[in-house]
Amino acid sequence: EIVMTQSPATLSVSPGERATLSCRASQSVSRNLAWYQQKPGQAPRLLIYGASTRATGIPARFSGSGSGTEFTLTISSLQSEDFAVYYCQQYNNWPGTFGQGTKVEIK
Amino acid sequence: QVQLVQSGAEVKKPGSSVKVSCKASGGTFSSYAISWVRQAPGQGLEWMGGIIPISGTAKYAQKFQGRVTITADESTSTAYMELSSLRSEDTAVYYCTRDAGYFDLWGRGTLVTVSS
Repeated sequence: EIVMTQSPATLSVSPGERATLSCRASQSVSRNLAWYQQKPGQAPRLLIYGASTRATGIPARFSGSGSGTEFTLTISSLQSEDFAVYYCQQYNNWPGTFGQGTKVEIK
Repeated sequence: QVQLVQSGAEVKKPGSSVKVSCKASGGTFSSYAISWVRQAPGQGLEWMGGIIPISGTAKYAQKFQGRVTITADESTSTAYMELSSLRSEDTAVYYCTRDAGYFDLWGRGTLVTVSS
C-alpha cells in the first residue's frame, strides 16, 4: 500500500497570503494525485485531480503541481472560505490512499 | 445533476451490524464505481471498499475484509455498505462517493455511533 505523507500538519496563514501544501508518496504515483478540501461538518470536496486539473467550479487561486512522488497544492491568495483541512489522495495503485491532512488556519 | 443521498444516522450496539444506503438522486450511477470512505471523529479519511454497480464487482480494503459487504441495486441506483461485528472504533461518519479513481461526488455522510 502506498503511504501518503502531507506537510506541514498545520499551516498558519493570513488572509490574502499564499499557502503552499506538500504531499509525498512512498513510491511513484505518476500524476494520479487528487486534492480535497474539507470544512467542519461537511463532506470533502474535490479540488484537483490528475495532479493539476481543477475540478468543476474550483477557483483559479487553487493550483496543483508535481509528479512521481512530490506534489504541491498552492492557494495563491487565501480567502476566508479557504480555511479548512486539505487532503491528498493517490489513485495510481489500488487501494487509493489518503494523506493525513493539512489544516490551514488563520494566522 | 446527480446527488448522492445517504440514509440517516444510526446508533448500534457492539457486535451488531449496520447497513447504510446511498442513492443517486437526479441521475444514475452510470458506469462509475461507488466507493465508501469513513472518517472517525477528529481523524482523516479511510477508503473501505467500492463496487462497480453495472457489474456488481466489489473490492475491499484489507483492513475490512470479512466485515464489510458493499452491494448495489442498479434498478434503484442505490448502493449499500454493511459493516458487521461493530466495535467502538467503528464510530465514524461513513461517506459514499462516486469513484473515478479520484472521488468527484460525495454524499453528505452518515454518522454511525457504536455504543453499549
